[in-house]
Amino acid sequence: NAGVTQTPKFQVLKTGQSMTLQCAQDMNHEYMSWYRQDPGMGLRLIHYSVGAGITDQGEVPNGYNVSRSTTEDFPLRLLSAAPSQTSVYFCASRGTGFNIQYFGAGTRLSVL
Amino acid sequence: QKEVEQDPGPLSVPEGAIVSLNCTYSNSAFQYFMWYRQYSRKGPELLMYTYSSGNKEDGRFTAQVDKSSKYISLFIRDSQPSDSATYLCAFHTGNQFYFGTGTSLTVIP
Repeated sequence: NAGVTQTPKFQVLKTGQSMTLQCAQDMNHEYMSWYRQDPGMGLRLIHYSVGAGITDQGEVPNGYNVSRSTTEDFPLRLLSAAPSQTSVYFCASRGTGFNIQYFGAGTRLSVL
Repeated sequence: QKEVEQDPGPLSVPEGAIVSLNCTYSNSAFQYFMWYRQYSRKGPELLMYTYSSGNKEDGRFTAQVDKSSKYISLFIRDSQPSDSATYLCAFHTGNQFYFGTGTSLTVIP
């Protein structure tokens, strides 16, 4: 019973490097989202998807890119990492309408 | 004005105490009211949710919603060390969820 799986759990990048945070869910959920969590700021929505091939921006999309080619996977790409992107990133998924949102365990990212 | 306001704490209580956690909100369109629990270095997990004003009880936990005051609360009775976590209030409308910043709770044995 995997739920939402995020990889890697930890990552250290240098400024300017790019990387992809992986997210996969096995619950056949239509909705998937990426959040970042920073002290005193709570969870902020980066991008979300309402189904394969459909993505949209959230509150803080700049510097991030997403795509959704399958129902199961929703990778988050950092195009050119900046120290301001140091954060904990959470992927979440849920069914349609109001539904319980399930979160992954998070990826802790440090950008030096 | 932020859409969601939550006192960050930290809150420290002795085992067995009653804990009260609160959030205020400004968006009248919020339809679902939720509490998530987040243990250290883990993802948030849904603890309780409710759709209407009033109280909803689940074991030692009671969620209270007052739509007229735009105020929600979570009460924890007979608090246990295992309740030590960060509690986030959350709200849902349309396709969006809105989260509070979280209140850090420590229950001391």
